[in-house]
Amino acid sequence: ETGVTQTPRHLVMGMTNKKSLKCEQHLGHNAMYWYKQSAKKPLELMFVYSLEERVENNSVPSRFSPECPNSSHLFLHLHTLQPEDSALYLCASSQDGVRFNEQYFGPGTRLTVT
Amino acid sequence: AQKVTQAQTEISVVEKEDVTLDCVYETRDTTYYLFWYKQPPSGELVFLIRRNSFDEQNEISGRYSWNFQKSTSSFNFTITASQVVDSAVYFCALSEADRGSTLGRLYFGRGTQLTVWP
Repeated sequence: ETGVTQTPRHLVMGMTNKKSLKCEQHLGHNAMYWYKQSAKKPLELMFVYSLEERVENNSVPSRFSPECPNSSHLFLHLHTLQPEDSALYLCASSQDGVRFNEQYFGPGTRLTVT
Repeated sequence: AQKVTQAQTEISVVEKEDVTLDCVYETRDTTYYLFWYKQPPSGELVFLIRRNSFDEQNEISGRYSWNFQKSTSSFNFTITASQVVDSAVYFCALSEADRGSTLGRLYFGRGTQLTVWP
């Protein structure tokens, strides 16, 4: 495996379900990110993890819960989602979290909440 | 207010035409970084270029070229002799430091859907 991988690629879940999205990077990077891409909206940064810090967008609802057990893996735990949470969820990584590093993206998980 | 504006929602061209994608940004930082990404139908954003605020030299990479002008806060992207494989959504992004944090975050524009017809 190379680059940034995400599983599953597609997910359909009901509002009462609990599921998790997984991201893995094989680039030796130290920072990982979750983005949400909704139709007709800019990509929205949800969470950033680096070696020393975690930064989150304060507007992200608590029904989204990130977990970063190590620098190569990132999870997004989902529970009690709403239909408006349907979107493409993109994971990215960068060498570290500083602002000048380019980010490398995975293919995304297309989430549909019914 | 949006930090990155891509006014062109959709552009259609015929193969071999040149096309310019516009990007205007807004920041109060003196040091910042600008990026362009390509998102093909597969969904994965592909990094194309990074430019820091102190380097206004234009850059050319094959058929791609970028024009950075601080005076107009613009970072435009031109594809010369476009090809069908260039069809994708192109995003411009800005990185500036968050207050109280050394972590940067990318602010994306809404993207421009480019369609190149054979």
